[in-house]
Amino acid sequence: SQTIHQWPATLVQPVGSPLSLECTVEGTSNPNLYWYRQAAGRGLQLLFYSVGIGQISSEVPQNLSASRPQDRQFILSSKKLLLSDSGFYLCAWSGEPGAGANVLTFGAGSRLTVL
Amino acid sequence: AQTVTQSQPEMSVQEAETVTLSCTYDTSESDYYLFWYKQPPSRQMILVIRQEAYKQQNATENRFSVNFQKAAKSFSLKISDSQLGDAAMYFCAYRRAKGGTSYGKLTFGQGTILTVHP
Repeated sequence: SQTIHQWPATLVQPVGSPLSLECTVEGTSNPNLYWYRQAAGRGLQLLFYSVGIGQISSEVPQNLSASRPQDRQFILSSKKLLLSDSGFYLCAWSGEPGAGANVLTFGAGSRLTVL
Repeated sequence: AQTVTQSQPEMSVQEAETVTLSCTYDTSESDYYLFWYKQPPSRQMILVIRQEAYKQQNATENRFSVNFQKAAKSFSLKISDSQLGDAAMYFCAYRRAKGGTSYGKLTFGQGTILTVHP
Protein backbone atom coordinates (compact mmCIF):
# COMPACT_ATOMS: atom_id res chain seq x y z
CA SER A 1 0.00 0.00 0.00
CA GLN A 2 1.01 3.59 -0.52
CA THR A 3 2.22 5.73 2.34
CA ILE A 4 3.32 9.33 2.57
CA HIS A 5 5.81 10.62 5.11
CA GLN A 6 6.43 14.22 6.01
CA TRP A 7 8.97 15.71 8.38
CA PRO A 8 9.71 17.39 10.62
CA ALA A 9 6.33 17.43 12.31
CA THR A 10 7.07 20.62 14.19
CA LEU A 11 9.61 23.33 13.54
CA VAL A 12 10.35 26.63 15.25
CA GLN A 13 12.71 28.87 13.31
CA PRO A 14 13.93 32.46 13.65
CA VAL A 15 13.21 35.04 11.00
CA GLY A 16 15.86 34.96 8.30
CA SER A 17 16.83 31.34 8.82
CA PRO A 18 16.58 28.69 6.08
CA LEU A 19 13.88 26.06 5.83
CA SER A 20 13.69 22.54 4.50
CA LEU A 21 10.57 20.38 4.78
CA GLU A 22 10.70 16.96 3.25
CA CYS A 23 8.03 14.64 1.89
CA THR A 24 8.42 11.12 0.55
CA VAL A 25 5.92 8.69 -0.90
CA GLU A 26 6.25 4.92 -0.82
CA GLY A 27 4.47 2.20 -2.72
CA THR A 28 3.86 4.06 -5.96
CA SER A 29 5.82 5.44 -8.87
CA ASN A 30 5.64 8.74 -10.73
CA PRO A 31 3.14 10.34 -8.36
CA ASN A 32 1.89 13.87 -8.70
CA LEU A 33 3.10 15.74 -5.63
CA TYR A 34 1.73 18.85 -3.95
CA TRP A 35 2.59 21.30 -1.19
CA TYR A 36 -0.33 23.05 0.51
CA ARG A 37 -0.27 25.62 3.29
CA GLN A 38 -2.94 26.10 5.89
CA ALA A 39 -2.56 29.44 7.64
CA ALA A 40 -4.12 30.12 11.04
CA GLY A 41 -7.82 29.91 10.45
CA ARG A 42 -9.02 27.66 7.78
CA GLY A 43 -8.54 26.95 4.18
CA LEU A 44 -5.71 25.25 2.35
CA GLN A 45 -3.79 27.03 -0.36
CA LEU A 46 -1.84 25.20 -3.02
CA LEU A 47 1.76 26.36 -3.14
CA PHE A 48 3.50 24.01 -5.56
CA TYR A 49 2.82 20.90 -7.53
CA SER A 50 5.01 18.53 -9.50
CA VAL A 51 4.19 15.96 -12.17
CA GLY A 52 7.72 14.57 -12.41
CA ILE A 53 11.37 14.85 -11.39
CA GLY A 54 12.60 18.40 -11.74
CA GLN A 55 9.18 19.64 -12.85
CA ILE A 56 7.80 22.23 -10.44
CA SER A 57 4.85 24.56 -10.89
CA SER A 58 4.29 27.44 -8.52
CA GLU A 59 0.81 28.64 -7.79
CA VAL A 60 1.51 31.79 -5.82
CA PRO A 61 4.48 34.16 -5.67
CA GLN A 62 6.20 33.79 -2.34
CA ASN A 63 9.32 33.36 -0.33
CA LEU A 64 9.32 29.60 -0.73
CA SER A 65 10.59 27.19 -3.37
CA ALA A 66 10.12 23.50 -4.07
CA SER A 67 12.27 20.80 -5.58
CA ARG A 68 11.80 17.22 -6.65
CA PRO A 69 15.22 15.57 -6.79
CA GLN A 70 13.82 12.05 -6.92
CA ASP A 71 10.61 10.49 -8.19
CA ARG A 72 9.04 10.14 -4.76
CA GLN A 73 10.67 13.01 -2.91
CA PHE A 74 9.35 16.54 -2.67
CA ILE A 75 11.10 19.29 -0.72
CA LEU A 76 9.85 22.69 0.36
CA SER A 77 12.57 25.25 1.03
CA SER A 78 13.30 28.81 1.87
CA LYS A 79 16.60 30.69 2.04
CA LYS A 80 15.30 33.26 4.53
CA LEU A 81 12.09 32.75 6.45
CA LEU A 82 9.59 35.53 7.05
CA LEU A 83 7.09 35.81 9.87
CA SER A 84 4.34 35.32 7.31
CA ASP A 85 5.70 31.89 6.43
CA SER A 86 4.33 30.50 9.69
CA GLY A 87 1.63 27.92 9.16
CA PHE A 88 0.78 24.30 8.72
CA TYR A 89 2.27 22.70 5.61
CA LEU A 90 0.78 19.63 4.05
CA CYS A 91 2.29 17.43 1.39
CA ALA A 92 -0.01 15.34 -0.77
CA TRP A 93 0.19 12.92 -3.65
CA SER A 94 -2.05 11.58 -6.36
CA GLY A 95 -1.56 8.82 -8.89
CA GLU A 96 -1.30 8.65 -12.66
CA PRO A 97 -4.42 9.54 -14.63
CA GLY A 98 -6.84 6.69 -14.24
CA ALA A 99 -8.48 4.91 -11.36
CA GLY A 100 -7.86 6.75 -8.13
CA ALA A 101 -5.93 9.53 -9.80
CA ASN A 102 -8.48 12.07 -8.73
CA VAL A 103 -7.91 11.47 -5.03
CA LEU A 104 -5.30 13.38 -3.07
CA THR A 105 -3.78 11.65 -0.08
CA PHE A 106 -2.20 13.92 2.49
CA GLY A 107 0.73 13.56 4.83
CA ALA A 108 0.47 14.31 8.54
CA GLY A 109 1.68 17.87 8.07
CA SER A 110 4.46 20.07 9.39
CA ARG A 111 3.76 22.94 11.74
CA LEU A 112 6.15 25.84 11.18
CA THR A 113 6.44 28.73 13.59
CA VAL A 114 8.67 31.62 12.60
CA LEU A 115 9.68 33.88 15.48
CA ALA B 1 -11.45 30.48 -11.51
CA GLN B 2 -13.19 27.95 -9.38
CA THR B 3 -14.36 28.91 -5.91
CA VAL B 4 -15.74 26.82 -3.08
CA THR B 5 -17.90 28.32 -0.34
CA GLN B 6 -18.80 26.83 3.00
CA SER B 7 -21.25 29.21 4.64
CA GLN B 8 -21.30 27.50 8.06
CA PRO B 9 -18.17 28.29 10.08
CA GLU B 10 -19.40 26.09 12.92
CA MET B 11 -22.03 23.40 13.41
CA SER B 12 -22.98 21.22 16.34
CA VAL B 13 -24.91 17.99 16.69
CA GLN B 14 -25.96 15.62 19.43
CA GLU B 15 -24.44 12.19 19.42
CA ALA B 16 -26.55 9.75 17.34
CA GLU B 17 -28.31 12.59 15.54
CA THR B 18 -27.95 13.71 11.92
CA VAL B 19 -26.23 16.84 10.69
CA THR B 20 -25.83 18.37 7.24
CA LEU B 21 -22.89 20.53 6.20
CA SER B 22 -23.34 22.86 3.25
CA CYS B 23 -21.06 23.61 0.33
CA THR B 24 -21.52 25.54 -2.88
CA TYR B 25 -19.06 25.99 -5.69
CA ASP B 26 -18.64 27.98 -8.83
CA THR B 27 -17.19 26.59 -12.03
CA SER B 28 -17.63 26.78 -15.76
CA GLU B 29 -16.45 23.20 -16.20
CA SER B 30 -18.85 20.33 -16.83
CA ASP B 31 -16.54 17.53 -15.71
CA TYR B 32 -15.03 17.69 -12.24
CA TYR B 33 -14.79 15.98 -8.87
CA LEU B 34 -16.02 17.08 -5.48
CA PHE B 35 -14.71 15.92 -2.13
CA TRP B 36 -15.30 16.19 1.55
CA TYR B 37 -12.21 15.98 3.72
CA LYS B 38 -12.11 15.72 7.48
CA GLN B 39 -9.39 17.31 9.59
CA PRO B 40 -9.44 16.09 13.21
CA PRO B 41 -7.35 17.75 15.95
CA SER B 42 -4.32 15.79 14.70
CA ARG B 43 -4.66 18.00 11.57
CA GLN B 44 -4.20 15.14 9.15
CA MET B 45 -6.52 15.55 6.17
CA ILE B 46 -8.66 12.46 5.71
CA LEU B 47 -10.85 11.82 2.70
CA VAL B 48 -14.46 11.26 3.73
CA ILE B 49 -16.29 10.97 0.43
CA ARG B 50 -16.03 11.94 -3.23
CA GLN B 51 -18.43 12.57 -6.06
CA GLU B 52 -17.86 12.53 -9.81
CA ALA B 53 -19.84 15.28 -11.50
CA TYR B 54 -20.92 13.06 -14.35
CA LYS B 55 -22.64 10.68 -11.95
CA GLN B 56 -26.18 11.59 -10.99
CA GLN B 57 -26.28 9.15 -8.12
CA ASN B 58 -25.25 10.63 -4.79
CA ALA B 59 -22.18 9.04 -3.22
CA THR B 60 -22.47 7.25 0.12
CA GLU B 61 -19.85 5.87 2.51
CA ASN B 62 -21.39 4.17 5.50
CA ARG B 63 -22.83 6.96 7.69
CA PHE B 64 -21.73 9.68 5.26
CA SER B 65 -23.71 10.69 2.21
CA VAL B 66 -23.87 13.67 -0.09
CA ASN B 67 -26.62 15.61 -1.79
CA PHE B 68 -25.13 16.65 -5.12
CA GLN B 69 -27.18 19.21 -7.02
CA LYS B 70 -25.18 19.93 -10.18
CA ALA B 71 -27.46 22.61 -11.61
CA ALA B 72 -27.47 24.46 -8.30
CA LYS B 73 -23.74 23.81 -7.80
CA SER B 74 -24.41 22.51 -4.35
CA PHE B 75 -22.68 19.64 -2.57
CA SER B 76 -23.79 19.02 1.01
CA LEU B 77 -22.56 16.34 3.39
CA LYS B 78 -24.94 14.44 5.66
CA ILE B 79 -23.57 12.62 8.66
CA SER B 80 -26.01 10.15 10.15
CA ASP B 81 -25.81 8.63 13.64
CA SER B 82 -23.13 11.15 14.60
CA GLN B 83 -20.33 9.86 16.78
CA LEU B 84 -17.90 11.68 19.05
CA GLY B 85 -15.12 10.76 16.65
CA ASP B 86 -16.81 12.75 13.91
CA ALA B 87 -15.84 15.98 15.64
CA ALA B 88 -13.44 17.75 13.31
CA MET B 89 -13.13 20.47 10.74
CA TYR B 90 -14.71 19.48 7.45
CA PHE B 91 -13.56 20.84 4.12
CA CYS B 92 -15.37 20.77 0.83
CA ALA B 93 -13.05 20.66 -2.17
CA TYR B 94 -13.25 20.85 -5.95
CA ARG B 95 -10.95 19.43 -8.59
CA ARG B 96 -11.03 19.65 -12.36
CA ALA B 97 -11.38 16.29 -14.00
CA LYS B 98 -8.53 16.59 -16.43
CA GLY B 99 -6.53 18.76 -18.73
CA GLY B 100 -4.55 21.96 -18.51
CA THR B 101 -2.34 23.20 -15.74
CA SER B 102 -5.18 22.98 -13.24
CA TYR B 103 -5.26 19.22 -13.40
CA GLY B 104 -4.79 17.61 -10.04
CA LYS B 105 -5.22 20.73 -7.92
CA LEU B 106 -7.80 20.96 -5.18
CA THR B 107 -9.66 24.16 -4.41
CA PHE B 108 -10.83 24.13 -0.81
CA GLY B 109 -13.60 25.89 1.03
CA GLN B 110 -12.85 27.60 4.31
CA GLY B 111 -14.07 24.72 6.42
CA THR B 112 -16.81 23.98 8.95
CA ILE B 113 -15.98 23.07 12.53
CA LEU B 114 -18.26 20.27 13.68
CA THR B 115 -18.80 19.72 17.40
CA VAL B 116 -20.48 16.53 18.59
CA HIS B 117 -22.17 16.69 22.00
CA PRO B 118 -22.51 13.50 24.06
